[in-house]
Amino acid sequence: GAVVSQHPSWVICKSGTSVKIECRSLDFQATTMFWYRQFPKQSLMLMATSNEGSKATYEQGVEKDKFLINHASLTLSTLTVTSAHPEDSSFYICSARGQAKETQYFGPGTRLLVL
Amino acid sequence: QKEVEQDPGPLSVPEGAIVSLNCTYSNSAFQYFMWYRQYSRKGPELLMYTYSSGNKEDGRFTAQVDKSSKYISLFIRDSQPSDSATYLCAMRASAGTYKYIFGTGTRLKVLA
Repeated sequence: GAVVSQHPSWVICKSGTSVKIECRSLDFQATTMFWYRQFPKQSLMLMATSNEGSKATYEQGVEKDKFLINHASLTLSTLTVTSAHPEDSSFYICSARGQAKETQYFGPGTRLLVL
Repeated sequence: QKEVEQDPGPLSVPEGAIVSLNCTYSNSAFQYFMWYRQYSRKGPELLMYTYSSGNKEDGRFTAQVDKSSKYISLFIRDSQPSDSATYLCAMRASAGTYKYIFGTGTRLKVLA
């Protein structure tokens, strides 16, 4: 149990376009979902925490208007990178926590390359 | 000072060796301690989860928490080449927050 999926796994886009990444909990209801960013050979940097049906809480230094997070249901959260630029190129990973689960379970990640 | 310190490695060991991975932390409020394994270009996979001090064993993996020293360890017995990955420690305080603080990760290479 505790499977989290992400789609797409890979995306290449032109500078200025918007990209949406989906995160789904497949076999449990995720009351809380987290979005992370990871640069090569570095650890995970928490971007925001989202609870189903409420606004996301962003970490200091993360632009809310650039990284739009929607947690519309107990199994789906989306991250939209608006007007992407090359410096947004990174590995984006989501995780999910269910009511009966003390730990976070991670998705496989989405690699974004902005040209 | 970072809240969680972890030696980035890389750590190279021969196949069959016992591997010791460690993290230190400064926040005495941390109560939950996790170890994740991350293969290149993949999401982290939960290996071990412990609450408060003590030991926990699961197959070839043993997690130890020493809260008095603010020190946690992950031991891997009979290491295999397939264990080659980055190992991340993570921890959080008790009720009220599920926000994790991660170590930087230790890169492990098990040589055949």
